[in-house]
Amino acid sequence: AQSVAQPEDQVNVAEGNPLTVKCTYSVSGNPYLFWYVQYPNRGLQFLLKYITGDNLVKGSYGFEAEFNKSQTSFHLKKPSALVSDSALYFCAPTRWGKLQFGAGTQVVVTP
Amino acid sequence: GAGVSQSPSNKVTEKGKDVELRCDPISGHTALYWYRQSLGQGLEFLIYFQGNSAPDKSGLPSDRFSAERTGGSVSTLTIQRTQQEDSAVYLCASSLVGGPGTGELFFGEGSRLTVL
Repeated sequence: AQSVAQPEDQVNVAEGNPLTVKCTYSVSGNPYLFWYVQYPNRGLQFLLKYITGDNLVKGSYGFEAEFNKSQTSFHLKKPSALVSDSALYFCAPTRWGKLQFGAGTQVVVTP
Repeated sequence: GAGVSQSPSNKVTEKGKDVELRCDPISGHTALYWYRQSLGQGLEFLIYFQGNSAPDKSGLPSDRFSAERTGGSVSTLTIQRTQQEDSAVYLCASSLVGGPGTGELFFGEGSRLTVL
């Protein structure tokens, strides 16, 4: 069975400060790992993915994520948050093509 | 169109009625998914179609829920004898399987179902 945990329901950060959204997973073998974002009243959008190779993955809108196999983590990061980054973020590991999404973390960036 | 299309965008129905939700995936995408997002909840996996393989129905919450995918393209999610707890946004997504695009899902805007 595979599972994913996003331990924080909400992350609050001031604009310009670094943003981290945590994700840990439990997937046997070598998983594919994804981050998706859901802006208010909009559909989900792909942010980035890790398949293999460099543990630091860069994605859309200045986001990046670091794959840590020993800690089974795939935390999402942005060096300098913007108010427009306020959204719901989902981590999703997969190994068999079926993405199992985490509960999501609400990010609130204040001016 | 270029994206995943879902219809209707909004559906209000009475308890006990049947509803059908439609999804038009991106042309050429072999994988199609249905998810459900309830208010304040995460994304709940419902069903997954991949090519001509038998679908993964492991997420369907009850036998009132069913889905089919005709011709490897359009999919319909049917909910029979709707209950108030079925109220949610039903999201469809499609993806390529295999190659660099593996796993990247493209989501539709969703169908918001309200059961009175």
